[in-house]
Amino acid sequence: GAVVSQHPSRVICKSGTSVKIECRSLDFQATTMFWYRQFPKQSLMLMATSNEGSKATYEQGVEKDKFLINHASLTLSTLTVTSAHPEDSSFYICSARTSGGPGPQYFGPGTRLLVL
Amino acid sequence: GDSVTQMEGPVTLSEEAFLTINCTYTATGYPSLFWYVQYPGEGLQLLLKATKADDKGSNKGFEATYRKETTSFHLEKGSVQVSDSAVYFCALSLTNSGNTPLVFGKGTRLSVIA
Repeated sequence: GAVVSQHPSRVICKSGTSVKIECRSLDFQATTMFWYRQFPKQSLMLMATSNEGSKATYEQGVEKDKFLINHASLTLSTLTVTSAHPEDSSFYICSARTSGGPGPQYFGPGTRLLVL
Repeated sequence: GDSVTQMEGPVTLSEEAFLTINCTYTATGYPSLFWYVQYPGEGLQLLLKATKADDKGSNKGFEATYRKETTSFHLEKGSVQVSDSAVYFCALSLTNSGNTPLVFGKGTRLSVIA
């Protein structure tokens, strides 16, 4: 199946700093990638849909200036958490679909962010 | 709108017990249906899928049959193992466009004890 990687897998940062998370589709081209956030023992919360070469579409309640998404190529999307605060601590997961058809989404392994 | 409803967890079973996790959906068209599994500290992995009515998806001993008449896609396994402990998500996809995310259920946590 298609493989999606994320980096880093775990990051600890100080409050006020920015953190960048990379999401790559390793063996397919992904015109669209999705970013999710997951709190402990809870379901996935879709944050935004990222389209290659255009601006991301954010879900209601997600601050676009805080969670910057860039999808510069067909295999790479980045999520930058700007001026991180402890409440941003969470598990962030990216996902991608191969182009065309109602196929599955392939998920990255997730990035655990802890803001001190 | 389109939605997926899963049975509430957590589900706790003894090893070798039979597993059923119920999933029903509401959709305006003819969706493709999926089950994903999330092991602790990891992302979601596609477990199985079915794209049309009466299709049966199967993988690693798990099965689910696409039932259009009952709008259901229940996950079953005949004999669970401790290693099956995870969270299971049911999901659907309606559109032919890859730009729309899947619609997920809230997940069902399964704990299998030895």
